[in-house]
Amino acid sequence: NAGVTQTPKFRILKIGQSMTLQCTQDMNHNYMYWYRQDPGMGLKLIYYSVGAGITDKGEVPNGYNVSRSTTEDFPLRLELAAPSQTSVYFCASRNRGRSYEQYFGPGTRLTVT
Amino acid sequence: DQQVKQNSPSLSVQEGRISILNCDYTNSMFDYFLWYKKYPAEGPTFLISISSIKDKNEDGRFTVFLNKSAKHLSLHIVPSQPGDSAVYFCAAIIQGAQKLVFGQGTRLTINP
Repeated sequence: NAGVTQTPKFRILKIGQSMTLQCTQDMNHNYMYWYRQDPGMGLKLIYYSVGAGITDKGEVPNGYNVSRSTTEDFPLRLELAAPSQTSVYFCASRNRGRSYEQYFGPGTRLTVT
Repeated sequence: DQQVKQNSPSLSVQEGRISILNCDYTNSMFDYFLWYKKYPAEGPTFLISISSIKDKNEDGRFTVFLNKSAKHLSLHIVPSQPGDSAVYFCAAIIQGAQKLVFGQGTRLTINP
């Protein structure tokens, strides 16, 4: 199992550009999550999904969009990138049930200049 | 409103000694807690968890203690090893909910 994979690893965007961060998991997990981590801060939830076709906002959803057309994939779309979106983005997944352990991808480091 | 707080941004411990990382929470509805470890340029990895029906959970060198009345949990690492140098996050959830709430993290450095 590859677990949770994220692409790209690094990206530099100009202000106003758009991009999609890819996330794929091969563990057949129902739940998937997108977080951002700013320096010295914890993980802030952007969006999450409890299954294909179902998504919901987290703590910091503004400026982002998601879709979940399959169990495996949960892409995060940035429209009109702003410097405030400079961060490290982590995708995670977990199975339904009483284990709340989330499995994280390696992250995407995004810089908006 | 920071519902999960790790008030020590960093901690330095001698190799072989005990490392104690602390975490406080404000939401009394939280009833399940997790610790994650994060190395640079990697995603967080799960370390250990505890349900509110317990006050202690042990896994090898790692023990998590939960004090519900104080809304406080701690992670003990004994003995500390150089490979334990990482950022540690505590997280909390209300069982049945979907979203973890993370603390800000504590950077642990183990000195040889």
